[in-house]
Amino acid sequence: DIVMTQSPDSLAVSLGERATINCKSSQSVLYTSNNKNYLAWYQHKSGQPPKLLIYWASTRESGVPDRFSGSGSGTDFTLTISSLQAEDAAVYYCQQYYTTPPYTFGQGTKLEIK
Amino acid sequence: ELQLVESGGGLVQPGGSLRLSCAASGFTFSSYTLHWVRQVPGKGLEFVSGISRTVGRTYYADTVKDRFTISRDNSQSTLYLQMGSLRAEDTAVYYCVRSDRDFYAFDIWGRGTTVTVSS
Repeated sequence: DIVMTQSPDSLAVSLGERATINCKSSQSVLYTSNNKNYLAWYQHKSGQPPKLLIYWASTRESGVPDRFSGSGSGTDFTLTISSLQAEDAAVYYCQQYYTTPPYTFGQGTKLEIK
Repeated sequence: ELQLVESGGGLVQPGGSLRLSCAASGFTFSSYTLHWVRQVPGKGLEFVSGISRTVGRTYYADTVKDRFTISRDNSQSTLYLQMGSLRAEDTAVYYCVRSDRDFYAFDIWGRGTTVTVSS
Protein backbone atom coordinates (compact mmCIF):
# COMPACT_ATOMS: atom_id res chain seq x y z
CA ASP A 1 0.00 0.00 0.00
CA ILE A 2 1.07 3.57 -0.60
CA VAL A 3 1.68 5.35 2.71
CA MET A 4 0.69 9.01 2.91
CA THR A 5 2.47 11.11 5.53
CA GLN A 6 1.32 14.63 6.37
CA SER A 7 3.21 17.34 8.17
CA PRO A 8 2.74 18.91 10.56
CA ASP A 9 0.23 16.96 12.63
CA SER A 10 -1.21 20.26 13.83
CA LEU A 11 -0.64 23.95 13.36
CA ALA A 12 -2.05 27.23 14.59
CA VAL A 13 -2.20 30.19 12.23
CA SER A 14 -3.48 33.72 12.72
CA LEU A 15 -6.45 35.04 10.76
CA GLY A 16 -5.36 36.45 7.43
CA GLU A 17 -2.06 34.59 7.46
CA ARG A 18 -0.94 31.74 5.18
CA ALA A 19 -1.32 28.11 6.21
CA THR A 20 0.70 25.35 4.55
CA ILE A 21 0.20 21.61 4.93
CA ASN A 22 2.49 19.05 3.37
CA CYS A 23 1.82 15.53 2.18
CA LYS A 24 4.36 12.96 1.10
CA SER A 25 3.57 9.64 -0.57
CA SER A 26 5.76 6.54 -0.23
CA GLN A 27 5.75 6.16 -4.01
CA SER A 28 4.91 8.40 -6.91
CA VAL A 29 1.22 9.03 -7.62
CA LEU A 30 1.96 10.63 -10.98
CA TYR A 31 0.56 8.65 -13.87
CA THR A 32 2.89 9.53 -16.70
CA SER A 33 0.47 8.49 -19.47
CA ASN A 34 -1.83 11.42 -18.71
CA ASN A 35 0.52 13.52 -16.57
CA LYS A 36 -1.98 13.57 -13.70
CA ASN A 37 -1.17 13.31 -10.01
CA TYR A 38 -3.77 11.11 -8.31
CA LEU A 39 -3.86 13.19 -5.15
CA ALA A 40 -6.78 14.88 -3.39
CA TRP A 41 -7.24 17.12 -0.37
CA TYR A 42 -10.24 17.07 1.96
CA GLN A 43 -11.45 19.35 4.72
CA HIS A 44 -13.18 17.74 7.70
CA LYS A 45 -15.01 19.79 10.29
CA SER A 46 -16.35 18.24 13.46
CA GLY A 47 -19.90 16.94 13.07
CA GLN A 48 -19.83 17.25 9.28
CA PRO A 49 -18.77 14.88 6.51
CA PRO A 50 -15.43 15.48 4.83
CA LYS A 51 -15.47 17.85 1.88
CA LEU A 52 -13.42 17.57 -1.30
CA LEU A 53 -11.26 20.65 -1.81
CA ILE A 54 -8.65 19.74 -4.42
CA TYR A 55 -8.25 16.86 -6.89
CA TRP A 56 -5.57 15.97 -9.45
CA ALA A 57 -3.27 17.67 -6.89
CA SER A 58 -4.11 21.19 -8.02
CA THR A 59 -7.67 21.39 -9.41
CA ARG A 60 -10.05 23.19 -7.10
CA GLU A 61 -13.47 21.59 -6.63
CA SER A 62 -16.41 23.71 -7.72
CA GLY A 63 -17.44 26.16 -5.01
CA VAL A 64 -14.18 25.99 -3.07
CA PRO A 65 -12.79 29.47 -2.33
CA ASP A 66 -9.73 30.42 -4.34
CA ARG A 67 -7.69 30.96 -1.18
CA PHE A 68 -7.28 27.16 -1.22
CA SER A 69 -4.65 25.87 -3.63
CA GLY A 70 -2.79 22.64 -4.18
CA SER A 71 0.63 22.05 -5.65
CA GLY A 72 3.30 19.41 -6.08
CA SER A 73 3.98 16.35 -8.18
CA GLY A 74 5.23 12.81 -7.85
CA THR A 75 5.62 12.23 -4.14
CA ASP A 76 5.51 15.69 -2.55
CA PHE A 77 2.42 17.85 -2.31
CA THR A 78 1.25 20.98 -0.54
CA LEU A 79 -2.11 22.47 0.40
CA THR A 80 -1.96 26.22 0.89
CA ILE A 81 -4.60 28.48 2.39
CA SER A 82 -3.50 31.94 1.35
CA SER A 83 -5.39 34.05 3.88
CA LEU A 84 -6.84 32.07 6.73
CA GLN A 85 -10.47 32.62 7.64
CA ALA A 86 -12.17 31.54 10.87
CA GLU A 87 -14.24 28.94 9.03
CA ASP A 88 -11.09 27.19 7.81
CA ALA A 89 -10.42 25.62 11.21
CA ALA A 90 -10.68 21.89 10.51
CA VAL A 91 -8.71 18.71 9.99
CA TYR A 92 -7.23 18.38 6.51
CA TYR A 93 -6.44 15.08 4.81
CA CYS A 94 -4.56 14.21 1.67
CA GLN A 95 -5.48 11.03 -0.20
CA GLN A 96 -3.95 9.08 -3.05
CA TYR A 97 -6.25 7.39 -5.55
CA TYR A 98 -3.47 6.12 -7.79
CA THR A 99 -3.31 2.45 -6.86
CA THR A 100 -5.98 -0.16 -6.79
CA PRO A 101 -7.57 0.21 -3.39
CA PRO A 102 -7.04 0.97 -0.59
CA TYR A 103 -7.08 4.59 -1.54
CA THR A 104 -4.98 5.64 1.40
CA PHE A 105 -5.37 8.83 3.38
CA GLY A 106 -2.78 10.77 5.30
CA GLN A 107 -3.11 10.83 9.08
CA GLY A 108 -4.64 14.31 9.02
CA THR A 109 -3.46 17.79 10.00
CA LYS A 110 -5.44 19.78 12.55
CA LEU A 111 -5.55 23.47 11.67
CA GLU A 112 -6.45 25.88 14.46
CA ILE A 113 -6.83 29.63 14.56
CA LYS A 114 -4.17 31.34 16.67
CA GLU B 1 -29.78 18.09 -4.46
CA LEU B 2 -27.01 15.52 -4.54
CA GLN B 3 -27.41 13.37 -1.46
CA LEU B 4 -26.18 10.18 0.16
CA VAL B 5 -27.97 9.06 3.33
CA GLU B 6 -26.60 6.21 5.39
CA SER B 7 -28.59 4.03 7.75
CA GLY B 8 -28.29 0.75 9.62
CA GLY B 9 -25.67 1.64 12.20
CA GLY B 10 -26.03 0.68 15.83
CA LEU B 11 -24.67 -1.36 18.70
CA VAL B 12 -23.61 -4.92 17.95
CA GLN B 13 -21.72 -7.53 19.96
CA PRO B 14 -18.27 -8.74 18.91
CA GLY B 15 -18.62 -11.48 16.35
CA GLY B 16 -21.98 -10.16 15.24
CA SER B 17 -23.23 -8.84 11.91
CA LEU B 18 -24.75 -5.63 10.63
CA ARG B 19 -25.86 -4.30 7.26
CA LEU B 20 -25.41 -0.66 6.35
CA SER B 21 -27.41 0.99 3.60
CA CYS B 22 -26.85 4.18 1.67
CA ALA B 23 -29.69 5.78 -0.26
CA ALA B 24 -28.66 8.07 -3.08
CA SER B 25 -30.63 10.86 -4.72
CA GLY B 26 -30.09 13.76 -7.08
CA PHE B 27 -27.86 11.90 -9.55
CA THR B 28 -27.82 8.83 -11.79
CA PHE B 29 -26.67 6.26 -9.25
CA SER B 30 -25.64 3.61 -11.77
CA SER B 31 -23.14 5.97 -13.42
CA TYR B 32 -20.88 6.30 -10.40
CA THR B 33 -18.43 4.30 -8.35
CA LEU B 34 -19.39 4.13 -4.67
CA HIS B 35 -17.32 3.55 -1.55
CA TRP B 36 -17.43 3.17 2.19
CA VAL B 37 -14.93 5.13 4.28
CA ARG B 38 -14.79 5.01 8.07
CA GLN B 39 -13.42 7.08 10.90
CA VAL B 40 -12.59 5.44 14.19
CA PRO B 41 -13.24 7.83 17.11
CA GLY B 42 -10.28 10.16 17.50
CA LYS B 43 -8.54 8.75 14.43
CA GLY B 44 -8.26 9.57 10.76
CA LEU B 45 -10.12 8.45 7.66
CA GLU B 46 -9.79 4.86 6.45
CA PHE B 47 -10.96 3.49 3.11
CA VAL B 48 -13.07 0.37 3.68
CA SER B 49 -14.51 -0.83 0.38
CA GLY B 50 -15.56 0.26 -3.08
CA ILE B 51 -17.71 -0.97 -5.95
CA SER B 52 -17.38 0.14 -9.53
CA ARG B 53 -20.17 1.43 -11.67
CA THR B 54 -19.43 -1.47 -13.97
CA VAL B 55 -20.72 -4.84 -12.83
CA GLY B 56 -18.62 -7.04 -10.64
CA ARG B 57 -15.61 -5.02 -9.64
CA THR B 58 -15.33 -4.71 -5.88
CA TYR B 59 -12.39 -3.99 -3.62
CA TYR B 60 -11.63 -4.01 0.08
CA ALA B 61 -9.11 -2.85 2.61
CA ASP B 62 -7.12 -5.76 4.04
CA THR B 63 -8.58 -5.00 7.48
CA VAL B 64 -12.10 -5.96 6.34
CA LYS B 65 -11.47 -8.38 3.51
CA ASP B 66 -13.36 -11.68 3.90
CA ARG B 67 -15.55 -10.14 6.63
CA PHE B 68 -17.34 -7.32 4.78
CA THR B 69 -19.22 -7.45 1.48
CA ILE B 70 -20.14 -4.41 -0.57
CA SER B 71 -23.01 -4.47 -3.04
CA ARG B 72 -25.29 -2.11 -4.90
CA ASP B 73 -28.83 -2.10 -6.22
CA ASN B 74 -28.93 0.33 -9.10
CA SER B 75 -32.72 -0.05 -9.45
CA GLN B 76 -33.11 1.25 -5.88
CA SER B 77 -30.17 3.69 -5.99
CA THR B 78 -28.84 2.03 -2.85
CA LEU B 79 -25.41 0.93 -1.70
CA TYR B 80 -24.91 -1.71 0.96
CA LEU B 81 -22.18 -2.93 3.27
CA GLN B 82 -22.73 -6.30 4.88
CA MET B 83 -20.43 -6.51 7.88
CA GLY B 84 -19.67 -9.79 9.63
CA SER B 85 -17.36 -11.14 12.34
CA LEU B 86 -17.35 -7.65 13.78
CA ARG B 87 -14.55 -6.58 16.12
CA ALA B 88 -14.16 -3.74 18.58
CA GLU B 89 -11.78 -2.07 16.15
CA ASP B 90 -14.58 -1.82 13.58
CA THR B 91 -16.27 0.75 15.84
CA ALA B 92 -16.43 3.89 13.70
CA VAL B 93 -18.53 6.34 11.77
CA TYR B 94 -19.11 4.84 8.33
CA TYR B 95 -19.46 7.24 5.41
CA CYS B 96 -20.97 6.46 2.03
CA VAL B 97 -18.98 8.23 -0.67
CA ARG B 98 -19.21 8.80 -4.42
CA SER B 99 -16.57 9.14 -7.11
CA ASP B 100 -16.99 9.64 -10.85
CA ARG B 101 -15.32 6.31 -11.50
CA ASP B 102 -12.43 4.18 -10.23
CA PHE B 103 -9.27 6.20 -9.61
CA TYR B 104 -11.11 9.46 -9.08
CA ALA B 105 -11.40 11.64 -5.99
CA PHE B 106 -14.36 11.30 -3.63
CA ASP B 107 -16.66 14.20 -4.43
CA ILE B 108 -19.87 13.54 -2.46
CA TRP B 109 -20.01 12.24 1.12
CA GLY B 110 -22.94 11.20 3.26
CA ARG B 111 -23.23 12.34 6.85
CA GLY B 112 -22.31 8.92 8.17
CA THR B 113 -23.78 6.24 10.39
CA THR B 114 -22.22 5.07 13.64
CA VAL B 115 -21.33 1.46 14.29
CA THR B 116 -20.39 0.43 17.82
CA VAL B 117 -19.04 -3.05 18.46
CA SER B 118 -19.16 -3.82 22.16
CA SER B 119 -20.39 -6.42 24.59
